[in-house]
Amino acid sequence: GAVVSQHPSRVICKSGTSVKIECRSLDFQATTMFWYRQFPKQSLMLMATSNEGSKATYEQGVEKDKFLINHASLTLSTLTVTSAHPEDSSFYICSARSLAGVETQYFGPGTRLLVL
Amino acid sequence: AQKITQTQPGMFVQEKEAVTLDCTYDTSDPSYGLFWYKQPSSGEMIFLIYQGSYDQQNATEGRYSLNFQKARKSANLVISASQLGDSAMYFCAIKGSARQLTFGSGTQLTVLP
Repeated sequence: GAVVSQHPSRVICKSGTSVKIECRSLDFQATTMFWYRQFPKQSLMLMATSNEGSKATYEQGVEKDKFLINHASLTLSTLTVTSAHPEDSSFYICSARSLAGVETQYFGPGTRLLVL
Repeated sequence: AQKITQTQPGMFVQEKEAVTLDCTYDTSDPSYGLFWYKQPSSGEMIFLIYQGSYDQQNATEGRYSLNFQKARKSANLVISASQLGDSAMYFCAIKGSARQLTFGSGTQLTVLP
C-alpha cells in the first residue's frame, strides 16, 4: 500500500518555541493532505485540509496563525506549531489522499509533541 | 454534517473467537463511504476495510468483514478468529461529499490469551 512518512516522530521543546512537522507521501502524489490532532484516549480531530499550491482550509476553532500549514509540492506538507505552549502537547497525524482505488486516505505514523 | 457513534469504549474477546465492534452513523449525503481503521499503541492508523453506500455486498478483507445495514445506519466491524495482535484501538469513520474523514470515538479491543 501507499506510504506516508512523518518527521520527526517525537519532539520535546520549550514553551515559546516553534516546531515544524513534515509529512511526505513517498510513492504517490497527494494533491490533498490532512492534519489531525489526537489527545490521549480520544479520537482524531481534523485540524485542517492542505491543498497543494493553495491556502489550507482550517476547521472551526483551529487558529491558522498558530498552526501554519504549507503544501509546497505534491509530496510534502508541513505543519508548524508557532510559539508552542504546554496545551499544544498532543499527537499530530497527517494523512494523504490517494486517488487510486477507493480514494483511501493513508496515514503517517504520527508525531508526538511535548511542550515543556 | 456527519457523525459517527461508537458506543463501546472497551471490548474484550478471547483469542480465536469472533468479535463485533459497533458503529452507527448519520449523514445527509446520498453517497458516502464507511471506513474502519486500527490504531495500535504505536499510534499509526492502519486502514482495515471500506464499504461504499451503494455497494450491494458487505465488504470483506481477510478476517475482517463489515456488517453494513443501510436502513439502520450501522456499519459494524466483525473480526473473526481474534489474535493477540488484534489488541488495539479501532475507529469507524465516514466520508461524504466533503471528502474528508469524520471519526468516531473509538473502541479499545483487548484480546485475551
